[in-house]
Amino acid sequence: GNSVTQMEGPVTLSEEAFLTINCTYTATGYPSLFWYVQYPGEGLQLLLKATKADDKGSNKGFEATYRKETTSFHLEKGSVQVSDSAVYFCALSGPNTGNQFYFGTGTSLTVIP
Amino acid sequence: EAGVAQSPRYKIIEKRQSVAFWCNPISGHATLYWYQQILGQGPKLLIQFQNNGVVDDSQLPKDRFSAERLKGVDSTLKIQPAKLEDSAVYLCASSEQGYYNEQFFGPGTRLTVL
Repeated sequence: GNSVTQMEGPVTLSEEAFLTINCTYTATGYPSLFWYVQYPGEGLQLLLKATKADDKGSNKGFEATYRKETTSFHLEKGSVQVSDSAVYFCALSGPNTGNQFYFGTGTSLTVIP
Repeated sequence: EAGVAQSPRYKIIEKRQSVAFWCNPISGHATLYWYQQILGQGPKLLIQFQNNGVVDDSQLPKDRFSAERLKGVDSTLKIQPAKLEDSAVYLCASSEQGYYNEQFFGPGTRLTVL
């Protein structure tokens, strides 16, 4: 079946620290992988995506590389800001899921000044 | 471009009461999704529409939940009767037809069942 496993939170970092949020997946076929971000009181927003192996998605200083050999899509940022405080969700979708999205449980990030 | 609209934003009801949520997707988006997000968990798909037809409702508790998208545009999700465990945020999302397309989410409706 299809599933996504994220590292558990919450994660608390100081401003300008390096961020890694781990995500691994199980899927049939070759899904697309996504990171969504949810700011307090808001809906989910797409942060970045990768549609095939070795692709790197990037946006707002965040990056994630689609690693087929390790079935991973870890989210990284070199220097976090207070405004990055949010919940981050890893997800997969694709033809073998009927375009249905499978989300991880989310990782809460708090960045302190 | 207007985003996905949802109403109401908040709703408090007592168990066994009924409630309905409304969603208006982004114009032109053929696919509409309803998700349930329980506190501390990721969104769980309840139902997926393609235009006005149901693609997947395998996780919809059909004894109490119903959803419709009559004209292939806006949609309503109803719970009747509500249970305590239905307390959650109900998210609506839409996407263009086809695979690998980004889903755009509305702000959600936070339901509290007392």
